[in-house]
Amino acid sequence: DIQMTQSPATLSASVGDRVTITCRASQSIDSWLAWYQQKPGKAPKLLIYKASSLQSGVPSRFSGSGSGTEFTLSISSLQPDDFATYYCLQYNSNYPWTFGQGSKVEIK
Amino acid sequence: QVQLVESGGGVVQPGGSLRLSCAASGFTFSSFAVNWVRQSPGRGLEWVAFVRYDGTTTKYADSVKGRFTISRDNSKNTASLQMNSLRVEDSAIYFCAKDNTPRWDHDAFDLWGQGTVVTVSS
Repeated sequence: DIQMTQSPATLSASVGDRVTITCRASQSIDSWLAWYQQKPGKAPKLLIYKASSLQSGVPSRFSGSGSGTEFTLSISSLQPDDFATYYCLQYNSNYPWTFGQGSKVEIK
Repeated sequence: QVQLVESGGGVVQPGGSLRLSCAASGFTFSSFAVNWVRQSPGRGLEWVAFVRYDGTTTKYADSVKGRFTISRDNSKNTASLQMNSLRVEDSAIYFCAKDNTPRWDHDAFDLWGQGTVVTVSS
C-alpha cells in the first residue's frame, strides 16, 4: 500500500499568513493527489485534484503543486474561514487509496 | 439539489451486520463511481470501498475485504454497503462520496454525504 505522510500535524498561523502543507508518498503517484478541507462535524470538501487543479468554486488563494512523491498545498493569505483540518488523498490506479493523517490549521 | 444522503447507521454488537444506503439526487448518478470512506479518531480517514459507475467493478480495503459488500442500483439512484461480521474497530462515521469525473475509474471525490455513524459495541 502507498503511505501518505503529511506535515505538519498542527500549524498555528494568523489571518493573512501564507501557509504551506506537505504530503509525501511512499512511492510515485504521478499527479493523482487531491487536497481536502474538513471542519468539525462536516464532510471533507474537495479543494484541489490532480495535484494542482483547483476545484470549481474554491477560492484562488488555494493552490497545489508537486508530482511523483512530494506535494504541497498552499494558502496564499489565510482567511478566518480557512481554519480547519486539511487532508491529502492519493488515488493512484493501484488500490487502496490512502489519506494523509491530516494537518490542523489553528489560530495563532 | 445536488446531494448524497447516507442512512442505516446505528449500534450493533460485534459479529453483527448493518446495511448502509446512499441516496443520490441532482445529478446523473449512473455516470459516476461511488466510494465509501470512514472516519474514526483512531484511524483518521480511511477509504473503504469503490463501485464503478456501471456496477461492473468493485474494490475494497484489505481491512474489510470478505466482510463488506458495495453495490449500486442505478434505477433507484442508490448505493449500498452491506457490512457483516462487524468488529469494534469498524466503529466510525461512514461517508459515501462520488467521483469527480463521469465514467472514470480513478478520481478524487467531489461530493460527499453528511455521514452516518456506526458503533460496534457489546
